[in-house]
Amino acid sequence: DAKTTQPPSMDCAEGRAANLPCNHSTISGNEYVYWYRQIHSQGPQYIIHGLKNNETNEMASLIITEDRKSSTLILPHATLRDTAVYYCIVRVGGQKVTFGTGTKLQVIP
Amino acid sequence: DAGVTQSPTHLIKTRGQHVTLRCSPISGHKSVSWYQQVLGQGPQFIFQYYEKEERGRGNFPDRFSARQFPNYSSELNVNALLLGDSALYLCASSFIPDREQFFGPGTRLTVL
Repeated sequence: DAKTTQPPSMDCAEGRAANLPCNHSTISGNEYVYWYRQIHSQGPQYIIHGLKNNETNEMASLIITEDRKSSTLILPHATLRDTAVYYCIVRVGGQKVTFGTGTKLQVIP
Repeated sequence: DAGVTQSPTHLIKTRGQHVTLRCSPISGHKSVSWYQQVLGQGPQFIFQYYEKEERGRGNFPDRFSARQFPNYSSELNVNALLLGDSALYLCASSFIPDREQFFGPGTRLTVL
């Protein structure tokens, strides 16, 4: 699996958009970008995934650059419950999920 | 709908003992994966099973083993426990290995 690089921590004001970046410069053509988050001491929660098109669901939006070397997860209106560690993962379907250290997002009131 | 369930939620063992952790996937999901998460780190892949067959194995010693049953539930076994095995053990299920994984709440194992 390609490796990803994320900032170790970020702050976001409550009600504002949280934009979490991820670099995956060695991604291959058949690897998907997945995002998970983990709230303290709970199991990781699936958020969204995409291949090359931008994706949106009820939780977030995923913007993937045209060269696919980076992506951004957008939480449009962050709440205190969004405080968590966010993991960006690249993965070929069927392969193991390799987690890095993620970005610790702190939403500030 | 019930999510992924794991049992027990917490467990305390001593060095050298054996432990069995259990996982029930989401109804209809046929693939189960196991992960170990040590404090302060991301989850590390241990095993993936699909249709009762091992599909992948991470870099863990042979003390770790697993199996999947006909109802798609799974067990993770760890023999000869070491202090370093203390961690949160996570189970994740997916419809098939290609699809997104959904995680259970984990089992917190403490080895004394």
